[in-house]
Amino acid sequence: DARVTQTPRHKVTEMGQEVTMRCQPILGHNTVFWYRQTMMQGLELLAYFRNRAPLDDSGMPKDRFSAEMPDATLATLKIQPSEPRDSAVYFCASGLVGTGGRGYTFGSGTRLTVV
Amino acid sequence: GEDVEQSLFLSVREGDSSVINCTYTDSSSTYLYWYKQEPGAGLQLLTYIFSNMDMKQDQRLTVLLNKKDKHLSLRIADTQTGDSAIYFCAETPPSFQKLVFGTGTRLLVSP
Repeated sequence: DARVTQTPRHKVTEMGQEVTMRCQPILGHNTVFWYRQTMMQGLELLAYFRNRAPLDDSGMPKDRFSAEMPDATLATLKIQPSEPRDSAVYFCASGLVGTGGRGYTFGSGTRLTVV
Repeated sequence: GEDVEQSLFLSVREGDSSVINCTYTDSSSTYLYWYKQEPGAGLQLLTYIFSNMDMKQDQRLTVLLNKKDKHLSLRIADTQTGDSAIYFCAETPPSFQKLVFGTGTRLLVSP
C-alpha cells in the first residue's frame, strides 16, 4: 500500500531555530504539495512542485520559508528562523498529473510547535 | 477567484443520515473532492466527482453536484460513530492542478 512518508511526526523547537521537514512522495508521482493546517486559517497551500520544479510558492513567507526537491524521492520544507506563529501541522501530498479525479495522497503530517 | 465554504459543525445520531454541504466559486473546476481527516491523521480521499456529473454513489456515500448553484454535498447513510471526523471538500481549478480546500466540517456522531 503506497504511502507518503513525512518526518519527523512531531517537532518542538525554540524560536529562532532552523526547522527542516521531510517528505518522501509515492514512487512515480510527479507532483508534490506542501500544505499547512492551523485552526485559524484551515488548510493553506504553501508550495507545489511538478517534476521537481517549483510551480507555485506564493503561499510561503519568502523571508523564512524555503521548499526544495533535491531528488524525486525527497521534498524538504525549511523554516529559518522559526517563530511561534509557525506552529501548525504541515502536510505533504503527492500525486500524478493526468490521472484525473483521484486527488492526491497525503502524508500523516509533521506537527510543529515553536516555543 | 478560489473560495470554498462549508458549515463548521454537524451533529447527528448513530444510524441517521448526515449531509455535509459545500459551496465553491470556481465554475471551471474539473473535479470536486471530499476528504476525511480523523484526529491526528492526514487527509484521506473519500470520493470525487467529475464536473459533468450530477451524482455519484459509492456504498454509503452519495455526492450531489449542482453546477448552476456551485453547490456540492456529501450524504453519509447510516452514519456510524467511526464516521466522526472533519470532512473537507476541495476543488481543482484547471490551472496548476492544485487542491483548494474548504474550511472543513466537523461531524460528531453520538450513540
